[in-house]
Amino acid sequence: AILLTQSPSSVTASVGDSVTITCRASQIIHRSLAWYQQKAGKGPKVLIYDASSLERGVPSRFSGRGSGTNFTLTISSLQPGDFATYFCQQYNSYPPITFGQGTRLEIK
Amino acid sequence: EVQLLESGGDLVQPGGSLRLSCEASGFTFNDYAMTWVRQAPGKGLEWVSTISGSGGSKYYGDSVNGRFIISRDNSKNTVYLQMSSLRAEDTAVYYCTKDRIRYAVTMMGFDPWGQGTLVTVSS
Repeated sequence: AILLTQSPSSVTASVGDSVTITCRASQIIHRSLAWYQQKAGKGPKVLIYDASSLERGVPSRFSGRGSGTNFTLTISSLQPGDFATYFCQQYNSYPPITFGQGTRLEIK
Repeated sequence: EVQLLESGGDLVQPGGSLRLSCEASGFTFNDYAMTWVRQAPGKGLEWVSTISGSGGSKYYGDSVNGRFIISRDNSKNTVYLQMSSLRAEDTAVYYCTKDRIRYAVTMMGFDPWGQGTLVTVSS
C-alpha cells in the first residue's frame, strides 16, 4: 500500500496568516491526490482533487500543488473556520486507497 | 441537498457482529459507488470498503477482508456494512461517503460524508 506522510503533524497560526501543509507519497502517484478538511465531531469535507482542482464551493484561498510524490496544500488569509484537521488521500493505486495521518491546524 | 445518515453503531463484545446502515438522499443513488471509512478515537482515517453503483464490484481493506461484507439496496437508497468477528481494533467512528464521480468506482475524492456512527468493541 502507498504510504502518505504529512508534515507538520500540527501547526499553530493566526487569523490572516498563510500556512502550507505537505503530503509525501511513498511511490509516484502522478496527480491522484485529494485534500480534506475535518472539523471536530464531523465527517471530512473534500477541498481539492487531482492535486490542484478546487472542489465546487470551496474558497479560493485554498490551493493545492504537486505531482509525483510531493504535494502541498496552502491556505492563505486564514479565517476562524479554517482551524481544523487536514488529510490527504491518494487514489492512484487501489485498493487500498490511503490517507495521510493528518495535520492539525490550531489558532494562535 | 445530498445527505448521508449512518446508523447501527453500538457497544459489542469481541467476536460479535453488527450491521451498519447508511441511508442516502438527494442524489441518484445507484449512479454512485459508496464507501465506508473509519476513524479510531483520536486517530486518522482508514478506508474500509467500497461498493460500485450496481453492487457488482466490492473492495475491502486488508484489515477487514473476510470479516466485513458491504452491500447495497438501491430500492431503499441504503448501503450496509455487515461486520463480524469484531476485534477491539475495530473500535471507531464509521463514516459513509459517496464517490465524487458518477457511473464508476474512481475513489477520486469522496463527498459528502455522513456524521458517522460509533462502534465500540469491548467486553
